[in-house]
Amino acid sequence: QQPVQSPQAVILREGEDAVINCSSSKALYSVHWYRQKHGEAPVFLMILLKGGEQKGHEKISASFNEKKQQSSLYLTASQLSYSGTYFCGTEEAAAGNKLTFGGGTRVLVKP
Amino acid sequence: GAGVSQSPRYKVTKRGQDVALRCDPISGHVSLYWYRQALGQGPEFLTYFNYEAQQDKSGLPNDRFSAERPEGSISTLTIQRTEQRDSAMYRCASSSRADQPQHFGDGTRLSIL
Repeated sequence: QQPVQSPQAVILREGEDAVINCSSSKALYSVHWYRQKHGEAPVFLMILLKGGEQKGHEKISASFNEKKQQSSLYLTASQLSYSGTYFCGTEEAAAGNKLTFGGGTRVLVKP
Repeated sequence: GAGVSQSPRYKVTKRGQDVALRCDPISGHVSLYWYRQALGQGPEFLTYFNYEAQQDKSGLPNDRFSAERPEGSISTLTIQRTEQRDSAMYRCASSSRADQPQHFGDGTRLSIL
């Protein structure tokens, strides 16, 4: 069963913040975040391992709460280049490195 | 090469034909993954390899789909007796080892007429 992402879409003005959530019904070992622009391959952003750590990439950061089986991606002071579809990929405990991706969150950053 | 290379970029074939999709991973990457991505959806896991060993093929839809990586580098995903429902973007990814980030290729767009 794939993780659930919310919201499905968000429109931002440049400089605004947004949060994307990823929730799973399964016990998770890690969460991977990717951004995909139209017609391109998904691009890796970051991995979060169980332990609740927070990581950052540019002004994009994320957290992982393994007890709640949830991860959140934070877009801070958004830039036009942040536009795209964001996917979380979850790795279940004891399932190897197989990722199950959510349905994606479409982000549009306007000037 | 610098990134994951997939060929062909586009493949159009008639229903019932067999197709072979190729993936050349990033040099030195131990793990290789195959995904299928429908338009507007996230990648769907098909199978993955560590070196030449197929570790998990639970995502392959049926026995018409198979994959191999005989020398632990290039991999081929083969679909026999193609059907229209097989039309999709097929993506390959590789990682330096199993617990590292997966880097995706540009994919092969498969269209079955």
